[in-house]
Amino acid sequence: EPEVTQTPSHQVTQMGQEVILRCVPISNHLYFYWYRQILGQKVEFLVSFYNNEISEKSEIFDDQFSVERPDGSNFTLKIRSTKLEDSAMYFCAGGALRDGEQFFGPGTRLTVL
Amino acid sequence: RKEVEQDPGPFNVPEGATVAFNCTYSNSASQSFFWYRQDCRKEPKLLMSVYSSGNEDGRFTAQLNRASQYISLLIRDSKLSDSATYLCVVTGSSNTGKLIFGQGTTLQVKP
Repeated sequence: EPEVTQTPSHQVTQMGQEVILRCVPISNHLYFYWYRQILGQKVEFLVSFYNNEISEKSEIFDDQFSVERPDGSNFTLKIRSTKLEDSAMYFCAGGALRDGEQFFGPGTRLTVL
Repeated sequence: RKEVEQDPGPFNVPEGATVAFNCTYSNSASQSFFWYRQDCRKEPKLLMSVYSSGNEDGRFTAQLNRASQYISLLIRDSKLSDSATYLCVVTGSSNTGKLIFGQGTTLQVKP
């Protein structure tokens, strides 16, 4: 059964550094998302991506964040200058239908020191 | 009012018990509804979609009441392996498919 994969599983970085989180969605999915979950809190929507462009972004997704799908398989989330409050689990998700089921990757735990 | 509201629990039940979780959502324009399961420090895993007609998958039954904006999940004959956090999830009204999560209800099934 195909799965969403994410790398790295854990990223430790210094405040102010850039990080790139990578995801390989399931091949027949068309809609892609990034979510984050701060420890002990609920899962929060960051950004949705369809047809090679952002379709919606949340208030959290400010100018420090960007997403790309450079080669038709990888889907990346970049944080340009990390802050302490960016420490969280970041989940990539995808789905075949716009309002359909979404399948999540195992997440990247980002720790900003 | 929270967009998706759940009783956080925890619910502590013995094996074999029946347990019910409830959820309310605030946006009447939400189109799709789901229950996800999340184990500690893992990703949300889809448990089932929820339909107005109600749907059942083995020991799990989900119901949706659009008029009341209320979703439920019933687990029969609880197993130790059902111990997890159950997330009530709805789509937003923006037509992008984004998911809005409740904070989750924690279930602990004890022998």
